[in-house]
Amino acid sequence: EDQVTQSPEALRLQEGESSSLNCSYTVSGLRGLFWYRQDPGKGPEFLFTLYSAGEEKEKERLKATLTKKESFLHITAPKPEDSATYLCAVQAGAGNMLTFGGGTRLMVKP
Amino acid sequence: NAGVTQTPKFQVLKTGQSMTLQCAQDMNHEYMSWYRQDPGMGLRLIHYSVGAGITDQGEVPNGYNVSRSTTEDFPLRLLSAAPSQTSVYFCASSRVSNTEAFFGQGTRLTVV
Repeated sequence: EDQVTQSPEALRLQEGESSSLNCSYTVSGLRGLFWYRQDPGKGPEFLFTLYSAGEEKEKERLKATLTKKESFLHITAPKPEDSATYLCAVQAGAGNMLTFGGGTRLMVKP
Repeated sequence: NAGVTQTPKFQVLKTGQSMTLQCAQDMNHEYMSWYRQDPGMGLRLIHYSVGAGITDQGEVPNGYNVSRSTTEDFPLRLLSAAPSQTSVYFCASSRVSNTEAFFGQGTRLTVV
């Protein structure tokens, strides 16, 4: 059974204080790892897809990296508008299912 | 661009009632799916479709039915609502299954 665990569950940062969110996974045959951002009362919004270990992608203050066991979402000099819940999901094997982690709620104080 | 549109946004049902949650996308995506999101449980896949006429079960399919008669629409039916189905429901679509998914704004359902 595919498992995805995100840590920490919640993270409070001061504006400008860089940090990382972790997504560890146990799957057989990873086909893709996805990062989403979700604001309160909204649907998840796509950020990145990573397909193989060693891959990295960047978007503004966010950088996602992937190893064979985990992915990190690095946030550099965050701003209050980066406050949201960040979700990680994996797709593995021959099926079409996405398995989501529980999310990390990020709060950035000005 | 409308993207993925879900209706209604809010719904209150009595136990035993039936209803259909609507989902439509205008991006000509083949893959569509329904999730429920509960506190502490994350997003869980209910049903999905890889194209018109083809549907399959996800992780938590019991109590829900789907059909896919067109590429654009993927309705979710609750046959006999139960309090355990109180949740926020999201519909998503993607070009193929392992590419970025676009989510609707969600339907908040309460079963009393």
